Amino acid sequence: EPEVTQTPSHQVTQMGQEVILRCVPISNHLYFYWYRQILGQKVEFLVSFYNNEISEKSEIFDDQFSVERPDGSNFTLKIRSTKLEDSAMYFCAISWGLTGQGKTEAFFGQGTRLTVV
Amino acid sequence: ILNVEQSPQSLHVQEGDSTNFTCSFPSSNFYALHWYRWETAKSPEALFVMTLNGDEKKKGRISATLNTKEGYSYLYIKGSQPEDSATYLCAFIGGSYIPTFGRGTSLIVHP
Repeated sequence: EPEVTQTPSHQVTQMGQEVILRCVPISNHLYFYWYRQILGQKVEFLVSFYNNEISEKSEIFDDQFSVERPDGSNFTLKIRSTKLEDSAMYFCAISWGLTGQGKTEAFFGQGTRLTVV
Repeated sequence: ILNVEQSPQSLHVQEGDSTNFTCSFPSSNFYALHWYRWETAKSPEALFVMTLNGDEKKKGRISATLNTKEGYSYLYIKGSQPEDSATYLCAFIGGSYIPTFGRGTSLIVHP
């Protein structure tokens, strides 16, 4: 059973619409991350989340992006007003971080393919 | 912006060939280096977590070495099989503890 699942697997949305991507970890991990990969480009870091707040964010993660854990379980990425250039695969990742089990490798979800038209 | 580079970008080998590829990363403020295997239509899976200079890790026919002083890691595959075909990603973890990924090396093993 995967450590983390993502929904939806594919989302098509019109430019300017809001989208919410969801990530559901199986276990109680400490660190949550969102990455994206635009077709043909490298995996890019968006944001990390620890202890119910953002710990780091990249320059890509501007005001149109937000993250939260609304019920202490799901981890969501919201894009308020999508642009064509937001089309990408979005990956949620989780890890124990430096504490807990002492493991630092990340477990990835299957990704959500976002297509903005 | 951290510079994590992988080479080559893609590689085609014949079944049975041994191969290797490189991940280069900043040599300062090192915490760990991860290698991930990413098959098409699946999510990346961790192969190795490497933390010490001189580390060598092995899993079956796949092994990796680490040189933190000069900022590189090699991934080796001995006797490549078609099922080894995947993209291999490395991720550098520095002082922020956030994995920064390279672009990946796409390996295709021809039967």
